[in-house]
Amino acid sequence: DVKVTQSSRYLVKRTGEKVFLECVQDMDHENMFWYRQDPGLGLRLIYFSYDVKMKEKGDIPEGYSVSREKKERFSLILESASTNQTSMYLCASSPPGINQPQHFGDGTRLSIL
Amino acid sequence: QQQVKQSPQSLIVQKGGISIINCAYENTAFDYFPWYQQFPGKGPALLIAIRPDVSEKKEGRFTISFNKSAKQFSLHIMDSQPGDSATYFCAATDYKLSFGAGTTVTVRA
Repeated sequence: DVKVTQSSRYLVKRTGEKVFLECVQDMDHENMFWYRQDPGLGLRLIYFSYDVKMKEKGDIPEGYSVSREKKERFSLILESASTNQTSMYLCASSPPGINQPQHFGDGTRLSIL
Repeated sequence: QQQVKQSPQSLIVQKGGISIINCAYENTAFDYFPWYQQFPGKGPALLIAIRPDVSEKKEGRFTISFNKSAKQFSLHIMDSQPGDSATYFCAATDYKLSFGAGTTVTVRA
């Protein structure tokens, strides 16, 4: 079974802090993704990566950056956290190719105070 | 703006009934249409998917119907069970996934 592990289930930070969300997958997948999930908006893609050191902007990259130094690990960085970044963050991975099923972690609920 | 429009936002169905969720899109470059199921406290998981050259796909009690000319597709859950209570997301992809807003399905015993 594919396992995508997000380091924290719940996280509380203050505005202006630099926040790191970590994601690790154990299936040697090339593709990794970061989404945020908000009620009434579904899942929105923040960033994705097709390979180590590679990253692509998704639909809502503003205020975020990512890092992929190792194939199994994909980090989401909030450079200076703001209250409008309070959300559920979901990480996913998939095999190479465009129309591959994505396997999701259970999410990190981030609150910015 | 959302590239995939999903309705209804929520629905309640009696055990044994049929749940129907509808989605519509505009981007003709979309070429793969998956549905994801999410239980509370869990990440979404792929439920069923369809390509636009197929009008219907069935897996157990779950059926996708696809109307390419209308740019619409729908999920039917037949003989709905309490264990089907979850949030369902339709999605579409060209080179990345675009999700609908989600439908919370509650199946009453």
